[in-house]
Amino acid sequence: SYELTQPLSVSVALGQTARITCGGNNIGSKNVHWYQQKPGQAPVLVIYRDSNRPSGIPERFSGSNSGNTATLTISRAQAGDEADYYCQVWDSPVFGGGTKLTVL
Amino acid sequence: EVQLVESGGGLVQPGRSLRLSCAASGFTFDDYAMHWVRQAPGKGLEWVSGISWNSGSIGYADSVKGRFTISRDNAKNSLYLQMNSLRAEDTALYYCAKNSEMATMSYFDYWGQGTLVTVSS
Repeated sequence: SYELTQPLSVSVALGQTARITCGGNNIGSKNVHWYQQKPGQAPVLVIYRDSNRPSGIPERFSGSNSGNTATLTISRAQAGDEADYYCQVWDSPVFGGGTKLTVL
Repeated sequence: EVQLVESGGGLVQPGRSLRLSCAASGFTFDDYAMHWVRQAPGKGLEWVSGISWNSGSIGYADSVKGRFTISRDNAKNSLYLQMNSLRAEDTALYYCAKNSEMATMSYFDYWGQGTLVTVSS
């Protein structure tokens, strides 16, 4: 089965840039999607098909995908960005293990 | 506005059954595939099952295959998950999620708030 590997946690200083990675064998050949989940809330789609933002998602959120790594980048990080982030491809298993983002 | 409202969760003994429902509104239900995704307490997301717009394509995670059955009623804008032979490890918050496309399983653009299933004696 295909595996997605995410770091358990990432920390970023307020106003700086956070990068959350999602590793997988030749993941660059797949469409990668990203979800944000705040405590007690349902997940929210923040990036689809590698680098597209749904309406309502700030431009500070961007994505890239190449080789064996997909990356979610959050620019000018805010306290409200603290959440768990999950990458997803259509394969089995579908989701990465999740990364907890802490804004310092 | 897209709304997905799950119901049917609760406390159930191991080996028993439960049926979850998801009422959809705010979009043309029969134009999209739908999914169930669960999250065990303190854990990550796990895809459970998905169904295409016309029920012609259905998939299950290995962990629930043979025990869970997904179905939909397009006339009622509703998605269902019949869960049999429940185990303690099925304890989770179960989310209903809308697929972004009609048939091809891709990504989940809207989620409900979830319904909690607790399997315990």
